[in-house]
Amino acid sequence: NAGVTQTPKFQVLKTGQSMTLQCAQDMNHEYMSWYRQDPGMGLRLIHYSVGAGITDQGEVPNGYNVSRSTTEDFPLRLLSAAPSQTSVYFCASSSGTGTGEQYFGPGTRLTVT
Amino acid sequence: EDKVVQSPLSLVVHEGDTVTLNCSYEVTNFRSLLWYKQEKKAPTFLFMLTSSGIEKKSGRLSSILDKKELFSILNITATQTGDSAVYLCAVVRGTASKLTFGTGTRLQVTL
Repeated sequence: NAGVTQTPKFQVLKTGQSMTLQCAQDMNHEYMSWYRQDPGMGLRLIHYSVGAGITDQGEVPNGYNVSRSTTEDFPLRLLSAAPSQTSVYFCASSSGTGTGEQYFGPGTRLTVT
Repeated sequence: EDKVVQSPLSLVVHEGDTVTLNCSYEVTNFRSLLWYKQEKKAPTFLFMLTSSGIEKKSGRLSSILDKKELFSILNITATQTGDSAVYLCAVVRGTASKLTFGTGTRLQVTL
């Protein structure tokens, strides 16, 4: 099993550009989520999904969109990048049994200039 | 507002020392508490705690949860330089398994 994979590993965007961060898992997990990690702020939940076709907002959803058309994939879209979105982004998945042990992808380091 | 607070924010110890990391929380619909270790990459899972008073142990690491006082501790005995990392505490809440993370404790183990 590859676990949780994310692409790209690094990305530099100009303000106003859009892009999609990809996340895939091969563990048949129902629950997937996106976090951003900033210095001194810990990980903050952006959006999450409890199954295909179902998504919801986390703590910091503004400026990001998600969709979940399949169990495996959970892309994160930045509609119009801003310097405040410079961060490291982690995707995670769990089996959704309720206790929540989550498996993290390797992360995407995004810089918006 | 859901809150997870970790202390200390950082500490430096000598190899062989024992350390205790703290995590307190105030959240609605608590389900479990998780500890992760993060080096220069993604967090890796250490422990999941759901019941009070039951110690989880893995080698030199152990953790316990107190659901009455709303806190957990992570102990590391006989620390090694490889234990240097940020240790993250997260609380799982609600039926959707949403996680709220603390800001982490940065541990540095020196020779």
